[in-house]
Amino acid sequence: QQPVQSPQAVILREGEDAVINCSSSKALYSVHWYRQKHGEAPVFLMILLKGGEQKGHDKISASFNEKKQQSSLYLTASQLSYSGTYFCGTDEGDTDKLIFGTGTRLQVFP
Amino acid sequence: KAGVTQTPRYLIKTRGQQVTLSCSPISGHRSVSWYQQTPGQGLQFLFEYFSETQRNKGNFPGRFSGRQFSNSRSEMNVSTLELGDSALYLCASSRSGGRTGELFFGEGSRLTVL
Repeated sequence: QQPVQSPQAVILREGEDAVINCSSSKALYSVHWYRQKHGEAPVFLMILLKGGEQKGHDKISASFNEKKQQSSLYLTASQLSYSGTYFCGTDEGDTDKLIFGTGTRLQVFP
Repeated sequence: KAGVTQTPRYLIKTRGQQVTLSCSPISGHRSVSWYQQTPGQGLQFLFEYFSETQRNKGNFPGRFSGRQFSNSRSEMNVSTLELGDSALYLCASSRSGGRTGELFFGEGSRLTVL
């Protein structure tokens, strides 16, 4: 079951904040976040495990609400380098598959 | 440390032909996953191989197949190509599988079917 990401696209000015959401209709064991810049391979940002704590990576952090089967990625004081498409990947635990959402395109302008 | 290498990077085929894509994972990584990326669909899971065995499969028709060799290199094959198979095919390697650890993606093989 492919997770649903929202919004589909975000346009920001440098220094602004953004939140990207990822939700699933099934119970999740973990949520993974990746970023893909235009013309490049997706790059790992972080994994959030069931029962784990909120993670952070520089000014990018994420939370995982197991009860709601949702995760949110928080981008604080965005930089030009944050531009790209963000994918969440979900692991339902009963399969060994990591299923990705359709992505959220983030554009940061000066 | 060398990254994940995919070949060829670009290829053009016609409907009905078949294609084989190759992926060389990072040294020491035993898991190789394949994804199809198209605009609007995100990354669609094709299959995962671990130690030469297919461990998981996505919801793609039987025309899509793959294999993994003893050196962990992997190939995927698409037979009887259709226009809708045009996409970027990404390979990702990891030590034990993407659900437990970081996936390292290659730059992909861009397939165009005419």
